[in-house]
Amino acid sequence: EDQVTQSPEALRLQEGESSSLNCSYTVSGLRGLFWYRQDPGKGPEFLFTLYSAGEEKEKERLKATLTKKESFLHITAPKPEDSATYLCAVQDPNSGYALNFGKGTSLLVTP
Amino acid sequence: GAGVSQSPSNKVTEKGKDVELRCDPISGHTALYWYRQRLGQGLEFLIYFQGNSAPDKSGLPSDRFSAERTGESVSTLTIQRTQQEDSAVYLCASSPSPTPFYGYTFGSGTRLTVV
Repeated sequence: EDQVTQSPEALRLQEGESSSLNCSYTVSGLRGLFWYRQDPGKGPEFLFTLYSAGEEKEKERLKATLTKKESFLHITAPKPEDSATYLCAVQDPNSGYALNFGKGTSLLVTP
Repeated sequence: GAGVSQSPSNKVTEKGKDVELRCDPISGHTALYWYRQRLGQGLEFLIYFQGNSAPDKSGLPSDRFSAERTGESVSTLTIQRTQQEDSAVYLCASSPSPTPFYGYTFGSGTRLTVV
């Protein structure tokens, strides 16, 4: 059973068209939810850690929010360089360090 | 070094052969992780090393997979008798902390193709 489900699988936006990516999780007793960005041929790059419902983190045009069942990655006025796959992960409840990743959302921002 | 270095970047091997993948973590990072990324799938945890503690091998998919780490430096992931289902990108990550809270730094991965 997947602990992390991301939607949509793919998203195409025009430059400047704001939108949100969704990450739903089923793990109980969440100890941390993580967002990473992955460019083609590269390893994932860390963006945010969220610990508790109501928490928000921001970085440039990205804002991550967390509720008790899901997290959103809001992208405001995206630029073509924001094109990437965005990965969501939760800490494995059975370990102190392993992460369970979703399959990601592939974002394409066109000029 | 400035980042996590993995070699080779690409490896094509014949079914049944053994392969060895290498990871050089960031200097001073005590935690090191191996993950596997198969096409269309999320990253799968394989193994975790923390300092001189016994590694957590709970994610290794079979006894054909093994990994070693020398102190807090280089790690090697070995796959024996490779199978086609082993084809994937193998990613190494390191962290200065035992917990994932401050984020991992990933290498660019080794793309393994078993033919």
